[in-house]
Amino acid sequence: EAQVTQNPRYLITVTGKKLTVTCSQNMNHEYMSWYRQDPGLGLRQIYYSMNVEVTDKGDVPEGYKVSRKEKRNFPLILESPSPNQTSLYFCASSRQENTEAFFGQGTRLTVV
Amino acid sequence: QKEVEQNSGPLSVPEGAIASLNCTYSDRGSQSFFWYRQYSGKSPELIMSIYSNGDKEDGRFTAQLNKASQYVSLLIRDSQPSDSATYLCAVKSTGRRALTFGSGTRLQVQP
Repeated sequence: EAQVTQNPRYLITVTGKKLTVTCSQNMNHEYMSWYRQDPGLGLRQIYYSMNVEVTDKGDVPEGYKVSRKEKRNFPLILESPSPNQTSLYFCASSRQENTEAFFGQGTRLTVV
Repeated sequence: QKEVEQNSGPLSVPEGAIASLNCTYSDRGSQSFFWYRQYSGKSPELIMSIYSNGDKEDGRFTAQLNKASQYVSLLIRDSQPSDSATYLCAVKSTGRRALTFGSGTRLQVQP
């Protein structure tokens, strides 16, 4: 089954404790991205990747890092999480940047 | 002006009626347009994509694109209570390496 898989689905952590949210897709898509969704602000892109070893900032990259060492995986790293990073996070992949994006199940992160 | 605008709703329609959802966008050079459905707490699910002017039909759903007027709409025929969700409009604008999403319209279908 074609899918985008994120883990974990739920995470509660403390300020400053490094964490990684994993994302994997099995559709051989070139383009992957991370979004956060907040009430009233909609979906905002954090980072994206055009292909292996090619990443760039989206609209809200501060406080986040990403890597793309393999085509299928695109982890999101929060090196020092802060409460303003409490949000619902989605990973997405698409064949190309202008084609349909398919979303993972989401990760609800709470930073206390 | 927001890049992609949608009425937040809620849009309330009776079961069996046609629901009409609208979206306007600011970048005249935009080429790709998508409608997603999102249930509360769940991930966005692709409903339709449309790339050229006119109508595109898929089952009970019809997407309409008018590039001259810079709007895209989604019609849902024979609305069902299970269609109650937030509908997100997404646009691929020129010069941006990402989809731009509207804030979504919440649809309520009354049984």
